Amino acid sequence: DTEVTQTPKHLVMGMTNKKSLKCEQHMGHRAMYWYKQKAKKPPELMFVYSYEKLSINESVPSRFSPECPNSSLLNLHLHALQPEDSALYLCASSRSGSAPYSEAFFGQGTRLTVV
Amino acid sequence: AQKVTQAQTEISVVEKEDVTLDCVYETRDTTYYLFWYKQPPSGELVFLIRRNSFDEQNEISGRYSWNFQKSTSSFNFTITASQVVDSAVYFCALSEADTGRRALTFGSGTRLQVQP
Repeated sequence: DTEVTQTPKHLVMGMTNKKSLKCEQHMGHRAMYWYKQKAKKPPELMFVYSYEKLSINESVPSRFSPECPNSSLLNLHLHALQPEDSALYLCASSRSGSAPYSEAFFGQGTRLTVV
Repeated sequence: AQKVTQAQTEISVVEKEDVTLDCVYETRDTTYYLFWYKQPPSGELVFLIRRNSFDEQNEISGRYSWNFQKSTSSFNFTITASQVVDSAVYFCALSEADTGRRALTFGSGTRLQVQP
């Protein structure tokens, strides 16, 4: 199983809503990532969890709140988002967050629209 | 600081043509890793290859080949006899092992359109 599964695939939310994005992997990977990708742009790193601890936060606004309940699951809690937060949110995992050589496996993403 | 530059924004070729996607990087680390990813319209990024800074051997995998040259800080990707299924956005990425950030930094991507 080399899959990273993200749910939902599409999400439309209002600026006052609270929602969560979910990501799951069963490859035994110990690092998990959230990336944000705007249209026609490259993915931008948001957060890295290594061994279930937050190791990198790329100065992401607090309206995005990551959570790693266990080594297979990664959530991104969303609250009071702005329309400019509309993007494709990609989850990825790799064998080890401390190993820069580890290739990352990506999910298909959640396409988020904030209205 | 690290930087990955993919100067070609979009390339359009006809099926069976060869095409080369360019990638130039900047880093102060002596140990680093370079990657290529493919992003089809479905959205997920598909890992294609990883190269470390100490291994300048070129690699061939089927119709794909990669040319890593430290002297010019380039890691170019060639698709031979392109096919319609190769149409996608291709990203080059860098990860640093010494002082830098141990997560992928992507270039801006090259959109490849292969026409039948």
